[in-house]
Amino acid sequence: SQKIEQNSEALNIQEGKTATLTCNYTNYSPAYLQWYRQDPGRGPVFLLLIRENEKEKRKERLKVTFDTTLKQSLFHITASQPADSATYLCALEGYSSASKIIFGSGTRLSIRP
Amino acid sequence: DADVTQTPRNRITKTGKRIMLECSQTKGHDRMYWYRQDPGLGLRLIYYSFDVKDINKGEISDGYSVSRQAQAKFSLSLESAIPNQTALYFCATSRDGVSYEQYFGPGTRLTVT
Repeated sequence: SQKIEQNSEALNIQEGKTATLTCNYTNYSPAYLQWYRQDPGRGPVFLLLIRENEKEKRKERLKVTFDTTLKQSLFHITASQPADSATYLCALEGYSSASKIIFGSGTRLSIRP
Repeated sequence: DADVTQTPRNRITKTGKRIMLECSQTKGHDRMYWYRQDPGLGLRLIYYSFDVKDINKGEISDGYSVSRQAQAKFSLSLESAIPNQTALYFCATSRDGVSYEQYFGPGTRLTVT
């Protein structure tokens, strides 16, 4: 069955450093990969989408890579700030308009001052 | 005003009771979704609707039912609540098609005692 793996352990990073989160998937060939941010007790908020034919996407301090050979996406936050502390979810979607988005369980990121 | 609203925000109910969670959206989107979130398990899809006349089961639909009253309204019912349905429930919407992000509501925290 389709499976998405995100590091279940929290990631603790010193402010100013680059945070890198990993999303691995198996038994799936997604056309699109999305990243969401979720704060405690709130709904996820969309951050970035990357297509299978795109290797890298950037938005301000965020960068996402998508390696379909490794079946992996990396999510980077450069110059991290305490306000970046949250849980980050990756999500996969297929080619068909009938396909549904599948979410990973998320990685909790904590940026210490 | 929020694009996606959910009522109630918090609910405590007893085993065996019927409960309805409601979701409304002002995005004008055709697609609506119900997810539940449990610690360590991520977002799991309960039901989804691609338009008013289209209702589909997700991966964990047992014990739940839904009603799509209008394009803007999608409600989730627990016919006879049980304790393992205690969770955080999210409604989401998206545009029709692929590669569109989902917009989430603020969530309903449901406790079944």
